[in-house]
Amino acid sequence: QQQVKQSPQSLIVQKGGISIINCAYENTAFDYFPWYQQFPGKGPALLIAIRPDVSEKKEGRFTISFNKSAKQFSLHIMDSQPGDSATYFCAASKPGGYNKLIFGAGTRLAVHP
Amino acid sequence: NAGVTQTPKFRVLKTGQSMTLLCAQDMNHEYMYWYRQDPGMGLRLIHYSVGEGTTAKGEVPDGYNVSRLKKQNFLLGLESAAPSQTSVYFCASSQQGGYTFGSGTRLTVV
Repeated sequence: QQQVKQSPQSLIVQKGGISIINCAYENTAFDYFPWYQQFPGKGPALLIAIRPDVSEKKEGRFTISFNKSAKQFSLHIMDSQPGDSATYFCAASKPGGYNKLIFGAGTRLAVHP
Repeated sequence: NAGVTQTPKFRVLKTGQSMTLLCAQDMNHEYMYWYRQDPGMGLRLIHYSVGEGTTAKGEVPDGYNVSRLKKQNFLLGLESAAPSQTSVYFCASSQQGGYTFGSGTRLTVV
């Protein structure tokens, strides 16, 4: 049972372009939606997170868009750089669940110069 | 500030052997987690702990055991390793909100 579905599996973007990764969830009890960035040989690191009381959150070049009615959220990377090349994971958790995160399958992003 | 430290970083086991993966955090976090990462499957929760002396099963607990005798340490044990347990194992800790992950243990079972 895949509670968080992530797409695409891989993505190639030219330097300066916009990278968009999408996630859809099933459980309406989820109330915390983080994105993690992982470089090869490293553990995932928290990139940005959102709660369902807002529709968008921006931190630098990274933006989360959240659509509660569609049960979808997405990560936008503006002005993508080769240094953004990594695997990105969306995740979700629900209140009272000891912060247990359900992760998407991941998207491998390659930004070409 | 070390954060979350995992040992060992790499290990090769023969089928049937046992081993223990160690996770240590220095942030005084209550919650700790063990995940495994496999290609195309994201990270799946094996076991977790909500405080010293407590453990609970996650999504894929079979074949693994855990212990949290001290707040800062969370051990993952494989009693009889199987090739299906070949994976990269990540430990994480949290208080509220985001996780801090360790750098992982790459385990190969032959």
